[in-house]
Amino acid sequence: DAGVTQSPTHLIKTRGQHVTLRCSPISGHKSVSWYQQVLGQGPQFIFQYYEKEERGRGNFPDRFSARQFPNYSSELNVNALLLGDSALYLCASSSNDRVRNTEAFFGQGTRLTVV
Amino acid sequence: GDSVTQMEGPVTLSEEAFLTINCTYTATGYPSLFWYVQYPGEGLQLLLKATKADDKGSNKGFEATYRKETTSFHLEKGSVQVSDSAVYFCALSILNRDDKIIFGKGTRLHILP
Repeated sequence: DAGVTQSPTHLIKTRGQHVTLRCSPISGHKSVSWYQQVLGQGPQFIFQYYEKEERGRGNFPDRFSARQFPNYSSELNVNALLLGDSALYLCASSSNDRVRNTEAFFGQGTRLTVV
Repeated sequence: GDSVTQMEGPVTLSEEAFLTINCTYTATGYPSLFWYVQYPGEGLQLLLKATKADDKGSNKGFEATYRKETTSFHLEKGSVQVSDSAVYFCALSILNRDDKIIFGKGTRLHILP
């Protein structure tokens, strides 16, 4: 079975542009979460979606948005990119919306560089 | 707010040495605790977890015990290998909150042959 897949793996964008990152969860998983990992730091929670509804939002500006599709795949959108948005963006999926009882599986991430 | 503090790295050890990476947490609820590992160029993998006080999580020779009295979840391994070189993250999540995982800053581990 395929794990969590993210695309693209690497991306270079210019300040002010927007970007869309994609995530396909493990088959059967209905929950998708997004994290930002700045170099040298731990991942920071951005969003969680379950059954196409937003269940949680971290402390990120409105430039960050996300959605989940009927097939449970997800997109993370970032508008008006800043240099500080350069990071590894990680997607995690789980079989339900309670991380405590099920493992969250992470993808390899998308490395975004803003120049 | 809820947070995780872990020892700063890098930690450099010789092969077969004993490993301890300290982790303490602050949480207003009753968290589940995790250790994740990130190998170079890869995403995060769950290494072990514990969901209640005094539980011991273990995997691949690594162990950590949930200590509520000291709010700690230290990672240990009796004999490390070169292949254990990676970044290790201590983390928590709290049921009945927005299901986020809160991570520490990570500890880079180098094992020398």
